[in-house]
Parts: sequence; C-alpha cells; structure tokens
Amino acid sequence: AQTVTQSQPEMSVQEAETVTLSCTYDTSENNYYLFWYKQPPSRQMILVIRQEAYKQQNATENRFSVNFQKAAKSFSLKISDSQLGDTAMYFCAFMKGSTGTASKLTFGTGTRLQVTL
Amino acid sequence: DVKVTQSSRYLVKRTGEKVFLECVQDMDHENMFWYRQDPGLGLRLIYFSYDVKMKEKGDIPEGYSVSREKKERFSLILESASTNQTSMYLCASSSGSGTYEQYFGPGTRLTVT
Repeated sequence: AQTVTQSQPEMSVQEAETVTLSCTYDTSENNYYLFWYKQPPSRQMILVIRQEAYKQQNATENRFSVNFQKAAKSFSLKISDSQLGDTAMYFCAFMKGSTGTASKLTFGTGTRLQVTL
Repeated sequence: DVKVTQSSRYLVKRTGEKVFLECVQDMDHENMFWYRQDPGLGLRLIYFSYDVKMKEKGDIPEGYSVSREKKERFSLILESASTNQTSMYLCASSSGSGTYEQYFGPGTRLTVT
C-alpha cells in the first residue's frame, strides 16, 4: 500500500515571498503520478500541478514548481511570489499508473498555508 | 470546464436516518469517487466506480454503500447514520484515460446528531 506524508500541518509566508511545502511518499511501484491539490477556504479542490514519475524534469506551472526526487521519494511544492489568493489547504497525492480500472488517489494529511501581508 | 456538483452543501441528520448524498458530473467521465475529509486525516477514499453499475470499495467503506445507475450520477448512501459519520464528503470524477486528473465537487458538510 502507498502512503503519503506531509509533515508540516501549518505554514505561513509573507506576500511576495517564496515558500516550500514538503511531501514524502512510500511505494514499491515504478509507474506512478504525483499531484498537488489546493483547497481554498470554502471553495472546491483544484489541481495545482502534476508530475509523472518517469519524467526527470520537474514540473512547473507559472509560480508553482516541484522538486521531484524519485530516489528519495520526495515531492515538494515551491510557491514563488506568494499571493493572498494562495491561502489554502494543500494536499499532496499519489496515484499508481493505470491498471485498467479507475486510478485511485492516496492523499497526505494536508498543509494549511496562510499568506500574510 | 468540468463541473461536478453535489446535491447539498450542508446537511443535518439524526442518528439512525438513511442519508443520500448525490453527485453529478457533466464531462462524460468514466470514473467517480467518494471521499470523506476530516481534520488531520486528509481525504480518505470510501468507494469508487469505473463504469455504470460497477463499484469498488475504497479504504473506509464500512457503514456506506453506493449506487451508479447512470454514468453522470454517483450516489453515496449512509444506511443508518451515526455520529462518527459527521464529516465533509467530497465527490470527484476523472476520465478513464489521459491525465487521470480528478475534478472535485464543492463538498457536503454532513452533521449527524
């Protein structure tokens, strides 16, 4: 079974600064995907960024980037130039490569990020 | 844009009641999921479905059942609600191919008294 660990329950960052959220996972699979999802207060969960395990290059989406260390089973999220709208709960998630039925997500416990003025 | 809707944002039920939570998606997705979200525990998968009338247990199926009679609709049923089922319930859907991204509904906050 896969496990996903987020060791930082809460973090705070000042507007315009950079923050890194940590995530480690445990799996014996070689083909898998990793995700960061964002859940703003009272709003729907949305996908922030996605990484395929077979890709060595770290994924980036505008101000969001990941540091994917496959050997260390680490998948951290870096948010640059933090904005007030980045305030949210962030979840790291793992998915096995497709086996023909629905691919399930295993979530970490989340990191609550507060962006302050 | 993909839209996943859930029948209620807030729901209050009494212990022992039968509770139905409905989820509808409009993107013709094959896969649908029900999670519960609790503080400090993240999201945990209750049940999922990869086709009409097909379902599989997730990590915490006890006390729940599901129904998928139409591709766009996935229902979660609490046969006899208990106080430990007070939680936020999230529905999600995904395509059976491609990026496998899951799209989430707004959630239903269920309180069982």
